[in-house]
Amino acid sequence: QSALTQPPSASGSPGQSVTISCTGTSSDVGGYNHVSWYQQHPGKAPKLMIYEVNQRPSGVPDRFSGSKSGNTALLTVSGLQAEDEADYYCNSFAGSSWVFGGGTKLTVL
Amino acid sequence: EVQLVESGGDLVQSGESLRLSCVASGFPFSSYNMNWVRQAPGKGLEWVSHINGASRTIYSADSVKGRFTISRDNAKNSIYLQMNSLRAEDTAVYYCARDQSGDYSFDYWGQGTLVTVSS
Repeated sequence: QSALTQPPSASGSPGQSVTISCTGTSSDVGGYNHVSWYQQHPGKAPKLMIYEVNQRPSGVPDRFSGSKSGNTALLTVSGLQAEDEADYYCNSFAGSSWVFGGGTKLTVL
Repeated sequence: EVQLVESGGDLVQSGESLRLSCVASGFPFSSYNMNWVRQAPGKGLEWVSHINGASRTIYSADSVKGRFTISRDNAKNSIYLQMNSLRAEDTAVYYCARDQSGDYSFDYWGQGTLVTVSS
């Protein structure tokens, strides 16, 4: 149950696109399409942004998109807005457990 | 409206026990799997435990196996986390989170309850 690997930080200017990676193994990210992404603002509960690799829940802007190749999942935020500044966590089902990434702090410059 | 409300967090000594509760509303509770997820101060998210709707399937993280037990009472729309032999490293905000039906993601979260373990 080792944590998935995410870059600790990412940044972009308003209107730009930024991509956050999430690397696991064939036992988690590579073995299942049950990859999800969560946004967390300071002092708040996490919010589901992407599920099943690339599905958006109702109400999540289509600026947020997900993909996966092999053992690495990606979250792309297009048309960056100030309110996108937050921590982002990936998560994967791993058979009989779930594993999160260490989190990426996204800064909107 | 889906709501999850946790309670039971407290300041305890190392080695002591604590029971957390999460009351759900706004959805057919017994039809949904539920989870506990924690977050140590200034740190990332860590999945803790999972229970399916009928309490037949339970999974727990290695870090809490043998010490923490998840359970649920569908008549009370509640899940619980019995935490024994608490350690300083269990200090965290504990969230309950609903398992979005069929796809292994967590679509609704409570506001969290803080557990502090003093050594």
